[in-house]
Amino acid sequence: AQSVAQPEDQVNVAEGNPLTVKCTYSVSGNPYLFWYVQYPNRGLQFLLKYITGDNLVKGSYGFEAEFNKSQTSFHLKKPSALVSDSALYFCAGLVSGTYKYIFGTGTRLKVLA
Amino acid sequence: DGGITQSPKYLFRKEGQNVTLSCEQNLNHDAMYWYRQDPGQGLRLIYYSQIVNDFQKGDIAEGYSVSREKKESFPLTVTSAQKNPTAFYLCASSIDRSSGNTIYFGEGSWLTVV
Repeated sequence: AQSVAQPEDQVNVAEGNPLTVKCTYSVSGNPYLFWYVQYPNRGLQFLLKYITGDNLVKGSYGFEAEFNKSQTSFHLKKPSALVSDSALYFCAGLVSGTYKYIFGTGTRLKVLA
Repeated sequence: DGGITQSPKYLFRKEGQNVTLSCEQNLNHDAMYWYRQDPGQGLRLIYYSQIVNDFQKGDIAEGYSVSREKKESFPLTVTSAQKNPTAFYLCASSIDRSSGNTIYFGEGSWLTVV
């Protein structure tokens, strides 16, 4: 079965420290992978996506993600966290050739001042 | 501004009542989607539509209905058959169903049963 997993319900990090939000996937074929951020009471905002090519993908607000095929991972990273980065983050995968976007259960990031 | 507009933001439903959530997009996207979000469960697909006058059931379609009479509009009706409708509902769209297309979301609508 196709799936996307976010193993951590919550991640706490101090402001200014690097952050990592983990995502692993089980998607057949060539996976298309996405990261979204959700602030309270709002829709999901697109951050970045991996389709093909360079394994390091750069996105909005200084975020980047590293695609690792051997570990089937697509972890979201930022070199220096801001308090304003505190939000709910979703990883998603798209089964190649279909409409079906598969979302993880979300990871709540809390950046402490 | 281009985007996806959902209305209303908050809606209250009485037992046995049908309610309709509106979703309009001016992005000229072909594909539109409805997701339900419950705490700790991520997003679950209710219905999607790839083209006008065509739509497909997602993973949790029971108790819901949709229509796609215009490219820009994809309203969702929550019927009385949906026994636990209290949730946050998200409408989304993408250019088409070609691989790798980004899906974009509206601001969501809260539905509460009273």
